Amino acid sequence: DVKVTQSSRYLVKRTGEKVFLECVQDMDHENMFWYRQDPGLGLRLIYFSYDVKMKEKGDIPEGYSVSREKKERFSLILESASTNQTSMYLCASSLGDRSTDTQYFGPGTRLTVL
Amino acid sequence: KNQVEQSPQSLIILEGKNCTLQCNYTVSPFSNLRWYKQDTGRGPVSLTIMTFSENTKSNGRYTATLDADTKQSSLHITASQLSDSASYICVVSASLNYGGSQGNLIFGKGTKLSVKP
Repeated sequence: DVKVTQSSRYLVKRTGEKVFLECVQDMDHENMFWYRQDPGLGLRLIYFSYDVKMKEKGDIPEGYSVSREKKERFSLILESASTNQTSMYLCASSLGDRSTDTQYFGPGTRLTVL
Repeated sequence: KNQVEQSPQSLIILEGKNCTLQCNYTVSPFSNLRWYKQDTGRGPVSLTIMTFSENTKSNGRYTATLDADTKQSSLHITASQLSDSASYICVVSASLNYGGSQGNLIFGKGTKLSVKP
């Protein structure tokens, strides 16, 4: 079974702090994704990566950056956390880039920025 | 603008009853439509996927239908169980090309289903 793990289930940070969210997948997937999920808005794509050291902006990249130094690990970075970044963050991975390839999601990190 | 609309927003049913969730989309080009189940506090898990040429797909008590002409899909749950309580998310792939397609998914906002004993 594919396993996608995220470093924290719950995180509380203060405004202005630098925040790192880590995601690891164990199935040698090429693609990895970061989404945020907010009530009434559904899932929105922040960034994704097709390969090591490659990244593409999603729909809402502002205020975020990412890093993919190893194939199995994809990090989301909030350079200076703000209260409007309080959200559920979901990481996903997929084997390849066919539109039918399934995205497998991690359990999510609920981030609260005070 | 590519959009996926789901209805109802929320639904409460009694255990053992059937229910149907709806998904309407305006996405072009259309590649496939997937239903995900998301338990509270967990990430979404894929239930079914249908391409343009498929009009029904089953996964146990879950049956998804697709009408590509009217751009509508439904997810029917038979003999509901307490464990079916979750959010159900409809996702449409807006790409026919290999390359870039995985980043081109349009997510619905989900239907929150509560199954009561």
